[in-house]
Order: sequence, then structure tokens, then C-alpha cells
Amino acid sequence: DTAVSQTPKYLVTQMGNDKSIKCEQNLGHDTMYWYKQDSKKFLKIMFSYNNKELIINETVPNRFSPKSPDKAHLNLHINSLELGDSAVYFCASSQDSGLAGEGKQFFGPGTRLTVL
Amino acid sequence: RKEVEQDPGPFNVPEGATVAFNCTYSNSASQSFFWYRQDCRKEPKLLMSVYSSGNEDGRFTAQLNRASQYISLLIRDSKLSDSATYLCVVNRVGANNLFFGTGTRLTVIP
Repeated sequence: DTAVSQTPKYLVTQMGNDKSIKCEQNLGHDTMYWYKQDSKKFLKIMFSYNNKELIINETVPNRFSPKSPDKAHLNLHINSLELGDSAVYFCASSQDSGLAGEGKQFFGPGTRLTVL
Repeated sequence: RKEVEQDPGPFNVPEGATVAFNCTYSNSASQSFFWYRQDCRKEPKLLMSVYSSGNEDGRFTAQLNRASQYISLLIRDSKLSDSATYLCVVNRVGANNLFFGTGTRLTVIP
């Protein structure tokens, strides 16, 4: 009965590798997000999708590519991983697109990525 | 200037104490305000929304001062289980995402 799930929970990999993180929500929400939380605990939006359409693409290196096969899934693929990519990546979802000024979001458990 | 600023703490308080956190936001167009809670190595979870008139949920009281662009969270009768990081969050119409503060860490001591 998990609302927002992510896999894997932990990911340890070498610099230069390509990896993917998967996210699924069973809340019937229209909007999904990827956030990055760095070592200083600052949580920053990376991408937002509404009904499979990209809405937000913050200043993120183009090595990061989100993919939304349907509105319940938002995956994150990262090419050529760098040391600075080490962080916790959170997926989230919300009912509305945020345009109405609301924004209660439900977060997945996070994926702790360590690049060696 | 950051969208949302908070005192990172840590706040170490004894059980039963009352503690207050403050937060300021930079954009006057901000429309919606929230407090999220994040436990160590866990995901953020919505604690409560913050309404213009102020609102209360059990031991938690949230207040908003639009003129000063300031949000507060008051926790009364602190419990050990209140130990967490409290994130101040704002949204604005059309921004389509939430802006998070870096959080205020609270430890309630027995």
C-alpha cells in the first residue's frame, strides 16, 4: 500500500557509469517531481511532470534525463555520473500541477546515490 | 537571496518544553505555505499547512505574517518523537513547485 515508491533505495557506483532510478505512485496524482537533497540537506527541485508532460526543468546538467512512460511513473536516468552527483534523490507526487498555488506533495523514501 | 530562509538550529529542548521556529520567504507572490517534517534518513512529510489566520493542530500552531513575509511553527509540550528537522515550504501561483528551506533541526531531550 506504499503511496510513492522508489527503487533502488541505495545505489553505489563508479564515476562515469550510467544509472537509473525508478519512481511509481499509486495515488492517482497528475504531477510528479524529482528533487535532489545534498549533503547540506538542501532540497531542490530538479524536474516536474504533469500528466507525462515536462513542466519544470531546473538548471540541471543534461546528463540527467527524466522519463515518464505514464502519469504513475517518473524515472530518472543519469549519464556519466560524477562525484558531485552523490546525494539523496527524492521522487514526489501531488494531485494538482501547482499552478493553483497549492502544493501538498507526497514523497518517496529516497534513493541514496554514492558515486565513488 | 534564497526563496526561503530558516535558522538551521540545532534546537535542543527538554521534554515538555515549548519551542518555536521561524522562517522568512523572499517572494511576496508566495501563495501557499507549509511545514514539512523530515526524520533522519527519511523523506519529508507534510506536517501542516499554514493559513493566513493561523491554525492549530493539536500541540502544533502555525502562523503567517504576510506583511513581514514570515512564518512560524510553535510546538507545545514537546515529545521525544518530535525530534526531527522541520522544513518551511512555500509555493506561489504559477511556480508549479515548492521552495524548501534548509530546515531547522530539533532534538527533544529526556
